[in-house]
Amino acid sequence: DTGVSQDPRHKITKRGQNVTFRCDPISEHNRLYWYRQTLGQGPEFLTYFQNEAQLEKSRLLSDRFSAERPKGSFSTLEIQRTEQGDSAMYLCASSLPRTDMNTEAFFGQGTRLTVV
Amino acid sequence: AQSVTQLDSQVPVFEEAPVELRCNYSSSVSVYLFWYVQYPNQGLQLLLKYLSGSTLVKGINGFEAEFNKSQTSFHLRKPSVHISDTAEYFCAVSDRKGSARQLTFGSGTQLTVLP
Repeated sequence: DTGVSQDPRHKITKRGQNVTFRCDPISEHNRLYWYRQTLGQGPEFLTYFQNEAQLEKSRLLSDRFSAERPKGSFSTLEIQRTEQGDSAMYLCASSLPRTDMNTEAFFGQGTRLTVV
Repeated sequence: AQSVTQLDSQVPVFEEAPVELRCNYSSSVSVYLFWYVQYPNQGLQLLLKYLSGSTLVKGINGFEAEFNKSQTSFHLRKPSVHISDTAEYFCAVSDRKGSARQLTFGSGTQLTVLP
């Protein structure tokens, strides 16, 4: 499978614990995105990497959230001191270098986080 | 900044009937337009996109959409739906000039195809 891969698919954690999610983008894609999707809503942009550089962060990305892409390949999203409001589907997407035609983002299947 | 409004949160339709899912957007800049489909507990799959040129775009699974600049709309249509089209559909935009090209999504329309 050469699509975007996310791990784990599901995570249940107790409030206050830290969690980390991993995303493996399509291999030739240098652009990587994290989105959060809560129940009944569309995905909301969290952050964007071009290669290893984190170039944009949404105001949704509080201080408890940190994302990395150390070698410009896979990425991790860590949430510290989880809260019940963090319960959501976390989606990763990747795309080719920016041109007027390379506009499509390919999404992974997501990690569903439940904070109890 | 951009915003996307999907006017119908739920659309029930009988199998083989036509369907239209409505999408309006607001943006101060020129945008690209997309429709994505999401099946339960899955990621998003691109149905179609409008970049430039012909305002009628055709996508996968028999879907098409028409870009209307004056009405800032990008409605999704299918002439005859199947049970397998039951899913959540999201309209999205991205800034043509922005470096990140992140997507701004609507809140989604649940299409339910009834036998």
